[in-house]
Amino acid sequence: SQTIHQWPATLVQPVGSPLSLECTVEGTSNPNLYWYRQAAGRGLQLLFYSVGIGQISSEVPQNLSASRPQDRQFILSSKKLLLSDSGFYLCAWNTGATNEKLFFGSGTQLSVL
Amino acid sequence: GQSLEQPSEVTAVEGAIVQINCTYQTSGFYGLSWYQQHDGGAPTFLSYNALDGLEETGRFSSFLSRSDSYGYLLLQELQMKDSASYFCAVPNAGKSTFGDGTTLTVKP
Repeated sequence: SQTIHQWPATLVQPVGSPLSLECTVEGTSNPNLYWYRQAAGRGLQLLFYSVGIGQISSEVPQNLSASRPQDRQFILSSKKLLLSDSGFYLCAWNTGATNEKLFFGSGTQLSVL
Repeated sequence: GQSLEQPSEVTAVEGAIVQINCTYQTSGFYGLSWYQQHDGGAPTFLSYNALDGLEETGRFSSFLSRSDSYGYLLLQELQMKDSASYFCAVPNAGKSTFGDGTTLTVKP
């Protein structure tokens, strides 16, 4: 069966510090991978998605970047965090055959202080 | 672009039936998905409607009307554990756009 791992669960970082969130998927090959951000009480905003190694599409201009160094690994990064980067970050995957449904990781609650 | 509208909050009592509506405006439409998210948790997929009509999965059903750009999630025999946020979403070209969610509170 397929599983998705995302860590850390909680992160408190000072403004101006770097960020690295990691997500890995097991049990499937060549998944589509996604990073979403959720503000408190709001919906999910798509930040990045990837259909293959090294292929990254950015949905909104921002202070963040994403990389996919391996087929089932997706990394969200920032060189210098802003207060506005605080939020709940969710990694997700699906396949081309099931793109109507997303499977989410457990999320990272990021607080930038 | 894509936009989805759903009520921000709904309250119902245990054992009741509740309907959560979603209207959408999209450029290109393939279907409507629904997700459940408990407080602090990750969203989990509930259902998907590609065609008009009602899809039933246990206590949950989902309906779609393409001509009205409208869908709803119907929850029957409500239980306390159904208290959560519910999101409609439109998948398109592998990406999904989400509504802002409806917070359902189930009271005893």
